Amino acid sequence: NAGVMQNPRHLVRRRGQEARLRCSPMKGHSHVYWYRQLPEEGLKFMVYLQKENIIDESGMPKERFSAEFPKEGPSILRIQQVVRGDSAAYFCASSRGTGRNGYTFGSGTRLTVV
Amino acid sequence: GNSVTQMEGPVTLSEEAFLTINCTYTATGYPSLFWYVQYPGEGLQLLLKATKADDKGSNKGFEATYRKETTSFHLEKGSVQVSDSAVYFCALSESSGNTPLVFGKGTRLSVIA
Repeated sequence: NAGVMQNPRHLVRRRGQEARLRCSPMKGHSHVYWYRQLPEEGLKFMVYLQKENIIDESGMPKERFSAEFPKEGPSILRIQQVVRGDSAAYFCASSRGTGRNGYTFGSGTRLTVV
Repeated sequence: GNSVTQMEGPVTLSEEAFLTINCTYTATGYPSLFWYVQYPGEGLQLLLKATKADDKGSNKGFEATYRKETTSFHLEKGSVQVSDSAVYFCALSESSGNTPLVFGKGTRLSVIA
């Protein structure tokens, strides 16, 4: 029973390029969450999705960032026109229902913008 | 809104020392409380949890008791090992579970032999 799968593990982009981060939730989990972790800082919530719906995007920057969780396939976090400040670790988590029993996290994608 | 405050690190201990990492929370109702651990270069792993007042979560020698009267969920271990070196995050989920987990800023623990 595979856990939460994120890819790629490491991603290097030049300023102005697009970054696409993928997350496949655990089997049977229909709730997906994206968090960002800056060096030596805690986790900041970005967005919460269920299949085909964005439930809460209160932590997403208003520009350049978007997320989706289509009916088929993984959840995608997309960052357009990346800047150096986007360099961080991006973690995806999933849960079967609501988060009352906690989430299962993926290993993260470490984005470096050069 | 909901929030979690945990003691700042880094915390450096000798092997076999007693560990306490403090965590207090602010929330309405009866949240669930969690401790997650992050080893270098990895994602977060659920260490233990408690879903109601006076519950004690435990795993791998770590324990934490949900204290509603003091709104706390302190992490303890009687004898730490070098392999416990990691960053520890306290987190809460509100009563309904419909809003995302809220995390503390994390406490880095280094255990030296």
